[in-house]
Amino acid sequence: GEEVAQTPKHLVRGEGQKAKLYCAPIKGHSYVFWYQQVLKNEFKFLISFQNENVFDETGMPKERFSAKCLPNSPCSLEIQATKLEDSAVYFCASSPMGSRGHGEQYFGPGTRLTVT
Amino acid sequence: EDQVTQSPEALRLQEGESSSLNCSYTVSGLRGLFWYRQDPGKGPEFLFTLYSAGEEKEKERLKATLTKKESFLHITAPKPEDSATYLCAVQRGNQGGKLIFGQGTELSVKP
Repeated sequence: GEEVAQTPKHLVRGEGQKAKLYCAPIKGHSYVFWYQQVLKNEFKFLISFQNENVFDETGMPKERFSAKCLPNSPCSLEIQATKLEDSAVYFCASSPMGSRGHGEQYFGPGTRLTVT
Repeated sequence: EDQVTQSPEALRLQEGESSSLNCSYTVSGLRGLFWYRQDPGKGPEFLFTLYSAGEEKEKERLKATLTKKESFLHITAPKPEDSATYLCAVQRGNQGGKLIFGQGTELSVKP
């Protein structure tokens, strides 16, 4: 498609439950990025992919967070055993970038995760 | 440490009242500086990319400029539909393309 699609729009989980978020990048874009927006405008980078390969995972809290981008499937971000502090809006962005992942990124509408 | 600071945090303008938003950055090896617009409940919308000092980009009432230390987003004769949060982000070379965002400037334009 011509827009980044994210599902679901809203997700409510009890503390300790699993949460799984999905992202379909713009067709033809090789790079996918996940960001977490906490509070009003604090964006935190989580992980990026070049096609199905992890490109940069320096922002991932590895003990509970995992992500995948498999061929012919939406990318996913999974949080095991959610905590209250995971409540945030999670954005996916895709990019047609040239070499080594540089260039503008196009964002999806986000998934709002609320952990109760 | 890489840092991106936007000012002011909030700006209220009357329709037609031109102004500028500032984004100052401390980044080694800047690869690109990006401006986004974010409306409430939506994802950031890409506006401009600036790559080198002296570069300028324009789109309708918006003009972005870049120096070695900061970028400005000039808004000429704004309209109420320009009300949004404007985000500045930087990208370093050899860091995998991740964006480092500023805190944003919340712009409100009253008719």
